[in-house]
This record gives sequence, C-alpha cells and structure tokens, in this order.
Amino acid sequence: DTAVSQTPKYLVTQMGNDKSIKCEQNLGHDTMYWYKQDSKKFLKIMFSYNNKELIINETVPNRFSPKSPDKAHLNLHINSLELGDSAVYFCASSGSGSSYNEQFFGPGTRLTVL
Amino acid sequence: KQEVTQIPAALSVPEGENLVLNCSFTDSAIYNLQWFRQDPGKGLTSLLLIQSSQREQTSGRLNASLDKSSGRSTLYIAASQPGDSATYLCAARSSGTYKYIFGTGTRLKVLA
Repeated sequence: DTAVSQTPKYLVTQMGNDKSIKCEQNLGHDTMYWYKQDSKKFLKIMFSYNNKELIINETVPNRFSPKSPDKAHLNLHINSLELGDSAVYFCASSGSGSSYNEQFFGPGTRLTVL
Repeated sequence: KQEVTQIPAALSVPEGENLVLNCSFTDSAIYNLQWFRQDPGKGLTSLLLIQSSQREQTSGRLNASLDKSSGRSTLYIAASQPGDSATYLCAARSSGTYKYIFGTGTRLKVLA
C-alpha cells in the first residue's frame, strides 16, 4: 500500500521519560512534516524537512528533536515528556511541483503523558 | 502572517441537502489551498487541492472554489449523505513557504 505510516499508534508514558515516534512514506515525496493536534482539535505545524534538510522549525520546545535519515523517513524524538505534550501527532508528506504538492497524512500517534 | 478561519464551527443538516463550508484566509498571496476531512480518532484525508492559478476543483459530489482577492475558499457538498459526517479542515500554504496553516475546522453532521 502506498501511504504515510506512523509507529506507534498509541503511546502512554510517564512524565520525564524520553520517547520517539517514527514516520515513513513510500509516495516518493521529498517533503515531510510533523503536526501536533491538541485537545481542541487544532492542527499546528511543528517541523518540516525537504530532502533531509530542516526547512520549518516552529516555536517548539527544544525537548522536541526531529531527525530525517533519508527522504522517506522522519522521526520525532521527545525528551523529558511533560503533561502538556499529550496530543495527537501527525506526520505528513508532499511532493514537489504544482501537481504533486498535495499533502498526505499518516494515521496519527496519540501520546498520553501521565 | 497567514491566519485561516472556518465558519461555521459546527453544522447539522438533513440528508440530501446541498451545503457550503467556508474558509477565509488573511494573506492572499497563497500558493495553494487544500481541503481535508477528518473522521473521529482518525487521520486527515485529502479531498481537494486548489492551486493559486485555479478557480475551482471538483471531485464527485465535492466542489471547492478559490477567490484569492476576497481571501475565501468554499467547499460545496452536493446531496449530502450521513457518510459525509466528519470534521472538514482547510489549509492554506502561502507563496514562498512550505508551511501550511490550518483552519479550526467545521464539524458536519448529516442526519438520516
């Protein structure tokens, strides 16, 4: 299946722990994104990589660190988790050129910090 | 700075009605605008993408229009069905950036 996939789907952890979320796309896209959807369902961009280069870095605590080992993968590592980090995190990807810049989203990772 | 607003926040209609969802953006220098639907507990499904050079796009019962001068996009759903019940989100990407700004969404309920 061609898609954007994320693991894990659910993540429950204690405050202070470090955790990672992984994202992979097999659509041949060169741009990938991380979004956070809060409890009010508002979607906000966090980071974006284009060809493994960081191009968007919003005002996000530096406890959050994205890493793109190659164009098909974008991971998100979170240090010292806090209660306020509880949210759904979505990965997305898009291609280049006007015909290809439609964004496709992964299924999301629901993070709960206790 | 781009800001995106969606009105109404929630909408209930009887099955079979035609309806219009609105999306307003403040920066008319947009690169494209994309409409999505999100079902409860699920990811976002892309519905339509309109490039800045286009006025509208159609897919089945859906038609999205774009008016850059007035800072508006509308999503028209014809002959609504209960399966159309979901939250509809629009996202605008400004020229010169890869950044998409999302609206707050319209929660649609189509009653059988």
